Amino acid sequence: EIVLTQSPGTLSLSPGERATLSCRASQSLSSNYLAWYQQKPGQAPRLLIYGASSRATGIPDRFSGSGSGTDFTLTISRLEPEDFAVYYCHQYNGSPGTFGQGTKVEIK
Amino acid sequence: QVQLLQSGPEVKTPGASVKVSCQASGYTFKSYGISWVRQARGQGLEWMGWINPYKGSTNYAQKFQGRIIITTDTSTRTASLEVTSLRSDDTAVYYCARFPVAGPGDSWGQGTLVTVSS
Repeated sequence: EIVLTQSPGTLSLSPGERATLSCRASQSLSSNYLAWYQQKPGQAPRLLIYGASSRATGIPDRFSGSGSGTDFTLTISRLEPEDFAVYYCHQYNGSPGTFGQGTKVEIK
Repeated sequence: QVQLLQSGPEVKTPGASVKVSCQASGYTFKSYGISWVRQARGQGLEWMGWINPYKGSTNYAQKFQGRIIITTDTSTRTASLEVTSLRSDDTAVYYCARFPVAGPGDSWGQGTLVTVSS
């Protein structure tokens, strides 16, 4: 099973600041089968990024993904009030699919 | 638009079984897989298994092998998750999600809370 480790656990930032979230896989992901989701309290996860760097439909361009192999990054260029949430990375390289433990982006 | 509508909350006693359903609309049902993912209160996401509605083939996480059954009814465009031998640590919100083959979950149901308590 591929283990995903996200860092930091919590990120305290102000609106307008840049957020950088990390996700490290325990083994290399072929075809960069890595996705990022946003989840707000009481809501289902929302797909942001797939294939490590492709934005899902309707996702603003302030969200960007990068990385390959075992190291991946989600960047939010300028935080909007609605961006404060928990973010999960997810690998769908093989079975079982696994998720990171999440990074909470909170208002400073 | 793509929608996945899940059945309502359930309360079960330990040892019982529960079946959660997920009705899809807005896309060709047989063309996309359905996964089930659960989330305990305050915890992260846990992938449980996946089904290909076209072939009927399934893939379960080893942790849940022998204790879950995922099925689909293509006539009603509904996927179902049955969990048997429920324990208190199965208390969680259970989500269905549309997962293309070799793709991530791009549309999710609203979640179903399953509470296991004596």
